[in-house]
Amino acid sequence: RKEVEQDPGPFNVPEGATVAFNCTYSNSASQSFFWYRQDCRKEPKLLMSVYSSGNEDGRFTAQLNRASQYISLLIRDSKLSDSATYLCVVNMGGGSNYKLTFGKGTLLTVNP
Amino acid sequence: GAGVSQTPSNKVTEKGKYVELRCDPISGHTALYWYRQSLGQGPEFLIYFQGTGAADDSGLPNDRFFAVRPEGSVSTLKIQRTERGDSAVYLCASSLTVPDTQYFGPGTRLTVL
Repeated sequence: RKEVEQDPGPFNVPEGATVAFNCTYSNSASQSFFWYRQDCRKEPKLLMSVYSSGNEDGRFTAQLNRASQYISLLIRDSKLSDSATYLCVVNMGGGSNYKLTFGKGTLLTVNP
Repeated sequence: GAGVSQTPSNKVTEKGKYVELRCDPISGHTALYWYRQSLGQGPEFLIYFQGTGAADDSGLPNDRFFAVRPEGSVSTLKIQRTERGDSAVYLCASSLTVPDTQYFGPGTRLTVL
């Protein structure tokens, strides 16, 4: 089983749609969780951290379920500018708290 | 302020050649990381520096890969006897401390012919 697995995608949605991405991780000892965004031929950029209580940043909501080892990202009222690859990222913590483990990413295209 | 910079942005080389990829982290960031991203994949960890020393090089694929950070700032990733399978985007990141948000550079796209 891969350490971080994401919806394979791609997702094609119209502007204004709500879209959800799912991710699972294999190591139950993982400590911290993130969603990164990567535009075509650009570097990954931190979109948001994910907390057990769930957190929201404008149109973006992230959820973590430690018992199920599951992470999600919800984008409401999607914009053309949301088109990108969304990477689920896990930090194992402990003695490896510097190392980020990435999923393959899910490509989102928002259409006019 | 200035972000992480990497040079060159693109490098095309022939199989068997030696290449060096440079990373200039954000000023004051003590931690520096190298990742490799192959087409259609997420970035994969290669090596982590804390200051001048390589604290974890477990992600380097084999002994053809080596990285240095002699003064605790700029880092160079060195690849000997390049192979076609080394073709990828090599990403550098830095962070102020550990653990902390990692900021990525634009990457070096390496193509081995």
